[in-house]
This record gives sequence, structure tokens and C-alpha cells, in this order.
Amino acid sequence: SQTIHQWPATLVQPVGSPLSLECTVEGTSNPNLYWYRQAAGRGLQLLFYSVGIGQISSEVPQNLSASRPQDRQFILSSKKLLLSDSGFYLCAWKRRAGAIAPLHFGNGTRLTVT
Amino acid sequence: AQRVTQPEKLLSVFKGAPVELKCNYSYSGSPELFWYVQYSRQRLQLLLRHISRESIKGFTADLNKGETSFHLKKPFAQEEDSAMYYCALIHSNTGKLIFGQGTTLQVKP
Repeated sequence: SQTIHQWPATLVQPVGSPLSLECTVEGTSNPNLYWYRQAAGRGLQLLFYSVGIGQISSEVPQNLSASRPQDRQFILSSKKLLLSDSGFYLCAWKRRAGAIAPLHFGNGTRLTVT
Repeated sequence: AQRVTQPEKLLSVFKGAPVELKCNYSYSGSPELFWYVQYSRQRLQLLLRHISRESIKGFTADLNKGETSFHLKKPFAQEEDSAMYYCALIHSNTGKLIFGQGTTLQVKP
């Protein structure tokens, strides 16, 4: 069966520090991968999505970036965190074939920038 | 532009009362819509999708293209239905799922 792992679960980082959140998927190949941010009062905002290795689409301008070095690995990064980067980050995957296949979410990372 | 709107941040009802969580969308093509749910301390997960015309845990949702709505309904709410509910629209070309702001459903005993 397919599983998705996301870590760390919680993170407290000072402003200006770097960030690296990792997400891996097991039990499937060629998934579409997604990073969402859940901020209070703003719902789930799509940040990045990827349909293949090295292929990243950015949805909103920000100081975050994403990379997909391997088929089932998706990394969210920042060189210098801002206070506004605080939030709950969710990684998700879906089967590439079939537009209406559901998204499967990880447990999320609670990021607090101080 | 594609957009999903859930006008209520919080909906509070008593056990046994009917529930309707509102969702309106904006999409130029033929929409594929979903409801996702996040129970306390659990992952966000799919509740139902409009194409399946299914009833899950007593919940149903009907796509109304005239009103561009996909409201989630249940005739008799249960305490275990308390959760955060998200309406979502899939962009058919890219597979991106666009979520609404979410509605917290609170079912009181």
C-alpha cells in the first residue's frame, strides 16, 4: 500500500534561518506531488506541484522553493525564513493518471518562525 | 480564474440537527469537485467526490451548475462529524486541487 511520510512534525526556527522540509512517498511510482500551506483564515493554499523529477510549478510568489531530486521525494526549502512563513505545511501525492484521483496527505509540519 | 468559496468559517449545530456546509465555485470548464475532511489529530482525507454520486458517513453533495454550488449535506448530525471540512475543485489540465477556506463543523451534544 502507498504511504506518505513528512518530517519534521514541528519546527521552530528564527527569522532569517534556512528551512528544509522533506516528504517521501512509498508504494507508488510517478506520483504528482504537492506542497500546501494551511494558514489560519486562509484555507489550504497550493504552493508548489510537481509532475516529475526536476519539474516544479510555483503557484504563488514567495521566498520558498521546492525541489524533486527523486521520483518520490519532494523538498520544501527557504534560504531565509520570514515571520509570515509560519503555518502548517502539508505534502500530498496523487496518481498521475486520472485527473480525478484523490489527493493523499501527509501528517503535516507545524512551522513557527520566531 | 478558478476559485472555491466556503462562506462559513464555523458552523455549530446540535446533535440530530440537519447540516449544510456551503461551497461555491468559479470554473470555466466542467468542474470536478470534492469534499475533504480533517478530524482532530488525523490527516486531511477525502470524504466524497461529486462524480461518484456517493453517500459517505451519511453525507451527500450535489453539484448545481446553475448556482455553481456543491453544498455538503447530512440530515442528522452526529458528534463524531465534528471536524474541519474543505471543498475542493480540480483543475483538469494540471491536476491541481484548489481548496476553499474550510469550515469547522461543531456538533454539540
